[in-house]
Amino acid sequence: GENVEQHPSTLSVQEGDSAVIKCTYSDSASNYFPWYKQELGKRPQLIIDIRSNVGEKKDQRIAVTLNKTAKHFSLHITETQPEDSAVYFCAANDAGKSTFGDGTTLTVKP
Amino acid sequence: GAVVSQHPSWVICKSGTSVKIECRSLDFQATTMFWYRQFPKQSLMLMATSNEGSKATYEQGVEKDKFLINHASLTLSTLTVTSAHPEDSSFYICSARLAGLYNEQFFGPGTRLTVL
Repeated sequence: GENVEQHPSTLSVQEGDSAVIKCTYSDSASNYFPWYKQELGKRPQLIIDIRSNVGEKKDQRIAVTLNKTAKHFSLHITETQPEDSAVYFCAANDAGKSTFGDGTTLTVKP
Repeated sequence: GAVVSQHPSWVICKSGTSVKIECRSLDFQATTMFWYRQFPKQSLMLMATSNEGSKATYEQGVEKDKFLINHASLTLSTLTVTSAHPEDSSFYICSARLAGLYNEQFFGPGTRLTVL
């Protein structure tokens, strides 16, 4: 089955700095890669996603890149703000079934 | 956007009792729903895939006789935790796949189960 590895497990940045979270996946059949933000006790919220036929996607301060050959994808958050503090999960999706990474706890210090 | 609800949002029960959790897609039909379990400070672990009108597909290590899943309609899937024990205490989250959309999943708000 699919295996998703996510790094780092914790990340602390100063407000205004950039944050980068990286994930790798193992199954070449995965073709959809969503990123979720989860606040304590709440459901994961989709923040950005990328399909396998696209190499990069950007939405305001958030961008995601995908390298299918290397089987890795990354989340980039620029100009971080304290409200970006949360746990972020990457996922690799095949036919609607998602395998999640272990999560990254992002702390943005004001 | 697509909305998924879950009920109850939290439940406390005694060891040995059974608990039913409902997952509903409110404004779309979901032929496939997924059930996840999330322990504190851990990731979401897929328990099973629920398909409308057929038996659920369970992930390795998940006991199908303990976690009963029923997907009787295109908008409702239920998870019943039978003979619950304290180690079953967790955050249970369902998600529904929107048919026709590119594999996007919509998550329910989750159910916090505490077994005493």
